Amino acid sequence: QIQLVQSGPELKKPGESVKISCKASGYTFTDYAMHWVKQAPGKGLKWMGWINTYTGKPTYADDFKGRFVFSLEASASTANLQISNLKNEDTATYFCASLGINWFAYWGQGTLVTVSS
Amino acid sequence: DIQMTQSPASLSASLGETVSIECLASEGISNDLAWYQQKSGKSPQLLIYAASRLQDGVPSRFSGSGSGTRYSLKISGMQPEDEADYFCQQSYKYPLTFGSGTKLEIK
Repeated sequence: QIQLVQSGPELKKPGESVKISCKASGYTFTDYAMHWVKQAPGKGLKWMGWINTYTGKPTYADDFKGRFVFSLEASASTANLQISNLKNEDTATYFCASLGINWFAYWGQGTLVTVSS
Repeated sequence: DIQMTQSPASLSASLGETVSIECLASEGISNDLAWYQQKSGKSPQLLIYAASRLQDGVPSRFSGSGSGTRYSLKISGMQPEDEADYFCQQSYKYPLTFGSGTKLEIK
């Protein structure tokens, strides 16, 4: 069956970096783009951007340009999100999502990143 | 960016009641609209895409309608398991944008 399995929760200090992984299974990884969505505690959903899983080209929403990097390990059907120079406002659950035409039939379980000194 | 104004922010309904949630887009989105349900501590689940198409496995009491800038999600006969947050999302243009959400509770 189709699954997106994300890496576990992270506790980081301001200024540190974090890398979240999203491993896909049950479908051809390169057939669908992988998107990333942020959800701050108690808040709504915010689209961060997407990566073309065939070419590796990332596209970032304006609020996520600079410190955020989408990457692939295509041979492992895995997409990654790296956030550098972490700030308190990066505390959130980050979801990978895929399998739709800019809508998302499948979501990872979410990765909670907590930034605290 | 396309703004998605979702209403109401919260709603309580009795079991068996029919409820509606609305989303208003700041410009026409040509039926490129999805609805998601998110239960507490879980990831969102797709209910409806292309404004009115029911995702496989979603109960038929969920339905979507609308056109142009106005869209709605209807739950015909509230069930206990429908208590959740609901979000709309436009898939018409980048950046993709979500509504602010509706918290649906059982009365």
